[in-house]
Amino acid sequence: GENVEQHPSTLSVQEGDSAVIKCTYSDSASNYFPWYKQELGKGPQLIIDIRSNVGEKKDQRIAVTLNKTAKHFSLHITETQPEDSAVYFCAKASGNNRLAFGKGNQVVVIP
Amino acid sequence: GAGVSQSPRYKVAKRGQDVALRCDPISGHVSLFWYQQALGQGPEFLTYFQNEAQLDKSGLPSDRFFAERPEGSVSTLKIQRTQQEDSAVYLCASSLAGFNQPQHFGDGTRLSIL
Repeated sequence: GENVEQHPSTLSVQEGDSAVIKCTYSDSASNYFPWYKQELGKGPQLIIDIRSNVGEKKDQRIAVTLNKTAKHFSLHITETQPEDSAVYFCAKASGNNRLAFGKGNQVVVIP
Repeated sequence: GAGVSQSPRYKVAKRGQDVALRCDPISGHVSLFWYQQALGQGPEFLTYFQNEAQLDKSGLPSDRFFAERPEGSVSTLKIQRTQQEDSAVYLCASSLAGFNQPQHFGDGTRLSIL
């Protein structure tokens, strides 16, 4: 129930293109799904989150979609810019007092 | 406003020494979390406080790890008799209330055990 799988592990995109990162989970009780961006030497920064009663949420160039039936959720970044280059972590919360994180995706935006 | 503050940013210790890592959460945040992040991995849960009460310490890897938050604000993570496998980044996060509310992280303490 703790595991969160992230795909792909590394993603390279041309500046201006879109990037999509997908996470899958197995615990039906999971009800909160945040995404974090981590730059080198910094802590994870919350960029967007979604709750299980919502299917999609958007904030400017960032969006998250949730498919509860299939148990996956995805981060979408549109019009990528070099400053979007970072490691992105998905996470989930269920009933056990913690966030469980995926292993992270390295996103490289090529100018 | 001020975010979560952690100190020191870097700590080098010899195997067997004790270390103490400090976390200043966002003012007014009731919940405080400690995570351990190994190189190339996601953060792993260590322990969780609601105000001064430690509600969950099931993620602490051994009894050498101890955390406290005596006044419900600043927290300290202490590691006794450090070992090389304790080398990692230790992250602190806080939220308004609860683990399924937005958790905001500090920049961590990078601990290196020689």
